[in-house]
Amino acid sequence: EVQLVESGGGLLKPGRSLRLSCTASGFTFGDYAMSWFRQAPGKGLEWVAFIRSKTYGGTTEYAASVKGRFTISRDDSKSIAYLQMNSLKTEDTAVYFCTRGTVNSRPVDYWGQGTLVTVSS
Amino acid sequence: DIQMTQSPSTLSASVGDRVTITCRASQSISSWLAWYQQKPGKAPKLLIYKASTLESGVPSRFSGSGSETEFTLTISSLQPDDFATYYCQQYDSYAWTFGQGTKVEIK
Repeated sequence: EVQLVESGGGLLKPGRSLRLSCTASGFTFGDYAMSWFRQAPGKGLEWVAFIRSKTYGGTTEYAASVKGRFTISRDDSKSIAYLQMNSLKTEDTAVYFCTRGTVNSRPVDYWGQGTLVTVSS
Repeated sequence: DIQMTQSPSTLSASVGDRVTITCRASQSISSWLAWYQQKPGKAPKLLIYKASTLESGVPSRFSGSGSETEFTLTISSLQPDDFATYYCQQYDSYAWTFGQGTKVEIK
């Protein structure tokens, strides 16, 4: 069974840093691209970042709102995807979801349960 | 970035109704469009991908159509479990972008 479990969320002040983790199980992690999405309280969905598998160079993509502040990475030996978030802003407050994808013409197929990041002074 | 415009924002309907949600892209995305259902406090669930392909396990009352810039999600006969918020998402190019969502409420 495919499982994605996010961790690392919390409450912190603007300007601080935080690293989220997504621990995967039930599939060969290194074969898949991974993405992070987020959803601010009461708002819609926003794609944040994407990392390809090593087969496709492990290259990354970012939303303009986080480019230069956030870094997505992966450790295939541990089956973990990371989202390093620096220079956090209040508008980064959201539930952050980890997903598996792209898969056979799907953008994503499995989602984690999400982890809440609250940035407030 | 490609802008996705979804309508309506809210939809009131009854069990058994046929429901249609529209999504328009600011430029052609071919058929690289997905539809998701989200319930409060839960992760989104993929319903449709590549504009019209039903994800495994999703009831056949859900269907998707369209290409290029105009897309629709149709629920042929609304069921109690279908009251939720629906989002379209383009994945033709980065940045992937979503419509603002359509909340389907009980009439």
